[in-house]
Parts: sequence; C-alpha cells; structure tokens
Amino acid sequence: AQSVTQPDIHITVSEGASLELRCNYSYGATPYLFWYVQSPGQGLQLLLKYFSGDTLVQGIKGFEAEFKRSQSSFNLRKPSVHWSDAAEYFCAVGAMDSNYQLIWGAGTKLIIKP
Amino acid sequence: ETGVTQSPTHLIKTRGQQVTLRCSSQSGHNTVSWYQQALGQGPQFIFQYYREEENGRGNFPPRFSGLQFPNYSSELNVNALELDDSALYLCASRAGLSPADTQYFGPGTRLTVL
Repeated sequence: AQSVTQPDIHITVSEGASLELRCNYSYGATPYLFWYVQSPGQGLQLLLKYFSGDTLVQGIKGFEAEFKRSQSSFNLRKPSVHWSDAAEYFCAVGAMDSNYQLIWGAGTKLIIKP
Repeated sequence: ETGVTQSPTHLIKTRGQQVTLRCSSQSGHNTVSWYQQALGQGPQFIFQYYREEENGRGNFPPRFSGLQFPNYSSELNVNALELDDSALYLCASRAGLSPADTQYFGPGTRLTVL
C-alpha cells in the first residue's frame, strides 16, 4: 500500500533563509506527486505536481521540488522564505492502483522567524 | 469564475445525530471528492463522485454517504455521529478523472461532535 511520510512536524526558518521540507513515499512504481499548502481558514492550494519527465518541478510562489526515485523522495524547496509562507504544507501521492486517489502525509507546519 | 464553496463553516452536533455538509464545485468541474482531516493530520479520502455516480471510496463505514446533483454540487451525509467524527471536512472539485486534473479545495466545514 502507498504511504507518505513527512518527517518534520514543524520547521522554524528565519525570513529570507532557504527552506527544504522533506517528503518520502512508499510505492512500487512511479507515483504522481503533489505538494499542497494550507493556510488557516483557507482551503488546500496546489503548489506543484510531478507526473513524469524533468525531475525538478517548478511551482507557484517560488517553490520547487525534486523527485528522486532512488531515495523515494519529493522534497520541497524555496531559496528565500517570506513571512507569508507561514502555513502547513502537505505532500500527497496518487497511484494507479488506488484510482489515483491522493494519499497524504501528516503535514509540516512552517513557522517564520522575523 | 467562482471557486469551491462549502457550507456551513462550523457545526456542532451530539453523538448519534446525523449531519449533512454541502459543497458547490467550481464551474465546469464534474468530479467531487470528500476528505476528512482530523486535527494534526493530513486529509483522508472518503469518496469521490463523477457525474452523479460514486466513483471510488476510502476506508470509511457506510454511515458516511454522499450525493452529487446534476449541477455537480455535492452533499456528504454522516449518520450516527461518533466523537471521532470531529474533524475538518474538505471538498475538492476537478474537471475530470485524470490525475493531471488539479483538485481545487474548498475552505472546509469544521464539525464538532460532543
């Protein structure tokens, strides 16, 4: 069965510093991979997705993620965070044998220090 | 273009009661998915509707049921409420069944069961 692990429950980063949020998945083949962001009182918003091709994916708000098959990882990065990036970030996996329904990680809460 | 809307925003019920949550999908979207998000966790897939038919279900008991209407809006019904049903319920709509079709989420309904 597929599973998604986000090892960090929360991460604190200074404004202007770089960010990397970790995501590891368990699945036999290449899954469909997603990163979503959830701000208080707002719905989940898609940041980026990977289906195939170039393993470095660019998303909205200056985020990017890199798919590494050998490590079963899909880590999210941003070179310089802004206070408005404070939110909860979720990694999700969709796989053919689950009719592409999304399996979600538990999320990482990003805290920005001024 | 209006986004995904959900009603009500908050709801308080007691054990054993029944509840109906509503979702209006984004214009042009014929597929709606419902998720349960417990505090501190990622969303869990409940079920999906495509053109008024249930098209996939997660690991939820039959007391969780749904409907999709001809205008593609949707309802989630939960009977015999239990304390563990307390959660944020998210609705997401998309243009079709392809994994390439981005899911757009509503802000959610916060259900508290006392």
